[in-house]
Formats: sequence, C-alpha cells, structure tokens
Amino acid sequence: TQLLEQSPQFLSIQEGENLTVYCNSSSVFSSLQWYRQEPGEGPVLLVTVVTGGEVKKLKRLTFQFGDARKDSSLHITAAQTGDTGLYLCAFTSGTYKYIFGTGTRLKVLA
Amino acid sequence: NAGVMQNPRHLVRRRGQEARLRCSPMKGHSHVYWYRQLPEEGLKFMVYLQKENIIDESGMPKERFSAEFPKEGPSILRIQQVVRGDSAAYFCASSRGLAGVPYNEQFFGPGTRLTVL
Repeated sequence: TQLLEQSPQFLSIQEGENLTVYCNSSSVFSSLQWYRQEPGEGPVLLVTVVTGGEVKKLKRLTFQFGDARKDSSLHITAAQTGDTGLYLCAFTSGTYKYIFGTGTRLKVLA
Repeated sequence: NAGVMQNPRHLVRRRGQEARLRCSPMKGHSHVYWYRQLPEEGLKFMVYLQKENIIDESGMPKERFSAEFPKEGPSILRIQQVVRGDSAAYFCASSRGLAGVPYNEQFFGPGTRLTVL
C-alpha cells in the first residue's frame, strides 16, 4: 500500500515568519501535486512537480521535488494570514488515481 | 465561471433516505473523479468515470453507493439508505483525457457536505 505522510500535521506561526512543510512517500511517484484547501471549499491546485530535483516558485511559495521523487517540500516565505489553510500533497504513480496525504493545517496569526 | 460545479453544497438526510450528489466537470474535461473527505482527514479516492463508463470504482463501498456519468448531464454520486457514517464532504474533480499527457492534473469542485441525522 502506498502511503503519503505529511508533516507537521499542525503549524501555527506569526505573520512574517517562514515555514516549511513536508510530504514523504514510501514509493516513487511520477508526479506530485500540492493543493491548498480553505474551510468549506474544495482543494485548489497550486503546482505540479514532475522531475526529480525540480524547484518551482509561486510568489512566496517554493516547491521542491526530491531527487529520488519520493518526497517534496513546500516553503513559504514571510507568511501572511491569507496563507492559512490545509495544505495537501497528492501523487500518482503513473495512473489517474490520486493518493492524498493527510495534510498540514497552517494557521498564520496577525 | 468555467470551474467544476457541484450541487447541492449542503445536503441533510435522515437515516435510510437517499442522497444524490451532482457534479459538472470543467469545460473541455471528460474525466470525472469522486473523493470523500472525513473531518480532519485527507481525501480518499472513490470512483473514476468517463462519459458513460465507470473506469475504476475500487474506492467505493460495494453496497449502497453508485456513480454514473451519462452522455448528457452531470455526473451523479448516489448513496442509498444513508447511515450516519456516510456524513462527510464529497468532492468531485475533473481532468482532460489522459492520452498523451505526462501527468494528470485534477481540478476540484467546492464539494457537497452531507449530514446524516
């Protein structure tokens, strides 16, 4: 069974601080997606990473895909209250089926 | 708004009733996926459909649950004789066809929150 672990599960920080969340798998994946989900809404796609070692930036968010394609990280610089939400990673191992991690709940305090 | 649409957003049912959840995929998308999310948990795959075909229903309970994606109209997730344990958020996602693409990006709707009393 493929598992996807995210850490930390919960994170509460002050506005302006930096943070990193992690996503780790027991298997190699062909692609990995990061989503953000706000309360009462569906997940919104932030980025897809495909190539081992790949780094993608989305404004203050930096996504990295591990060289072995078994892990990924999301780094947020100078967090803002609008970054609050549930961050989910999901991967496919070459098929259509997404396996989601349990998520990291981020709360950014003003 | 060309995003994935789901309705109703909230649905309350008593035990034993039927729940029907609808999903209209993004324009240009012919593949639909249903996921279930329990409180404080991630999303769990239920079923994958293309027009008029169920491709993979391995994540769907064998009894009481069914899904369809007819030639015309939205995809429907149907839950018969609901029980309290069915209370959850149900999300639909859609994607383009998988042929010739290096990876599969799925775009999610806002979800239907089902509460069973």
